[in-house]
Amino acid sequence: DAGITQSPRHKVTETGTPVTLRCHQTENHRYMYWYRQDPGHGLRLIHYSYGVKDTDKGEVSDGYSVSRSKTEDFLLTLESATSSQTSVYFCATETSPTDTQYFGPGTRLTVL
Amino acid sequence: KQEVTQIPAALSVPEGENLVLNCSFTDSAIYNLQWFRQDPGKGLTSLLLIQSSQREQTSGRLNASLDKSSGRSTLYIAASQPGDSATYLCAVTHNTDKLIFGTGTRLQVFP
Repeated sequence: DAGITQSPRHKVTETGTPVTLRCHQTENHRYMYWYRQDPGHGLRLIHYSYGVKDTDKGEVSDGYSVSRSKTEDFLLTLESATSSQTSVYFCATETSPTDTQYFGPGTRLTVL
Repeated sequence: KQEVTQIPAALSVPEGENLVLNCSFTDSAIYNLQWFRQDPGKGLTSLLLIQSSQREQTSGRLNASLDKSSGRSTLYIAASQPGDSATYLCAVTHNTDKLIFGTGTRLQVFP
């Protein structure tokens, strides 16, 4: 286990409000990822980071932004939450792109 | 576009059976393939990682094989136990260096 925590673990919010999810790791892994998991779609990549201040878009990045100011923290922000962003969000880390990914416990987000 | 498919979507077997989970991918240009386990309400745990140059990997009662040319992988679970009940996810690292996941096989092993 790579010592990955996510906060909050559960959140209910209303449409139009901003939401920030936090991923924290203690293993000094360079690469960090945000995924969402939805029934019938599996896990889909939202954004990823390959170092401090280095981030890029994934498959489903619309409506999301990220920031990484420290190696250990990767933040995911929903600027104005919509009901379609109701999902379970997972953070993952790895030492290199072809290595094993380690996953956090997930955040269940409900947008009403 | 790389697509990963897992069949069956769900499987229910009695304890003690040997079973095979299947994973197929459309583009053989992969760096590696991974099998993960996900328990309800939990994150994913990596089970096995097979590099593109390898044919199989083993860990305890688990054995994963990879046939890149045919775009297939299998996860073999020997002597299944109720504790093996979980969702098993297959994922490939494609030429974009990002993991692409299948939708998983939900396994239930009953006593």
